[in-house]
Amino acid sequence: DAGVIQSPRHEVTEMGQEVTLRCKPISGHDYLFWYRQTMMRGLELLIYFNNNVPIDDSGMPEDRFSAKMPNASFSTLKIQPSEPRDSAVYFCASSPLAGGSYNEQFFGPGTRLTVL
Amino acid sequence: AQSVSQHNHHVILSEAASLELGCNYSYGGTVNLFWYVQYPGQHLQLLLKYFSGDPLVKGIKGFEAEFIKSKFSFNLRKPSVQWSDTAEYFCAVNAREYGNKLVFGAGTILRVKS
Repeated sequence: DAGVIQSPRHEVTEMGQEVTLRCKPISGHDYLFWYRQTMMRGLELLIYFNNNVPIDDSGMPEDRFSAKMPNASFSTLKIQPSEPRDSAVYFCASSPLAGGSYNEQFFGPGTRLTVL
Repeated sequence: AQSVSQHNHHVILSEAASLELGCNYSYGGTVNLFWYVQYPGQHLQLLLKYFSGDPLVKGIKGFEAEFIKSKFSFNLRKPSVQWSDTAEYFCAVNAREYGNKLVFGAGTILRVKS
């Protein structure tokens, strides 16, 4: 298996532009998570999906952030308009459902976003 | 709300020294516990996990962790570190009543001097 795939790996954009980050989870995994990592705040959960349905978006910082999962193999995280304080590494992770018990999360390589 | 505390943000050790990284969590119910490692420029990888059973858990690369329920702790240990262990280490906790969310500690940056 190729693991969790994220694109792009690096994104540099100017303030006010729209940014779209993409994630392909591991095939067969039922859960998908979006995290943001910064020096100041560490690793924060933004939102997670179960079977393509958003379950908890309480970590999404504000209305400028939105996430979708149109099918089991693809998710996007969109920031519009972007601001310099959004600069961070954004990780996607997926997790299988194993007999109803919680299982480990598998992380993608991350997207390093820089907003100028 | 549950929280996870990692006591040291930076640790510097010489090769062959022993390592112990502290992790404490605030939730008192049933928990699943994890240690992840992030090597420079790479993504997070699972080192070890605890769900139930033997509170001493063995992970990859010679790491182990001990779950002490009475102390709400899950400390990570390695008897002899190597230069290649230089990385950032994250403790993470899932409380089942909070669904499938993981709460991460702030991380501990380990630098091993060769």
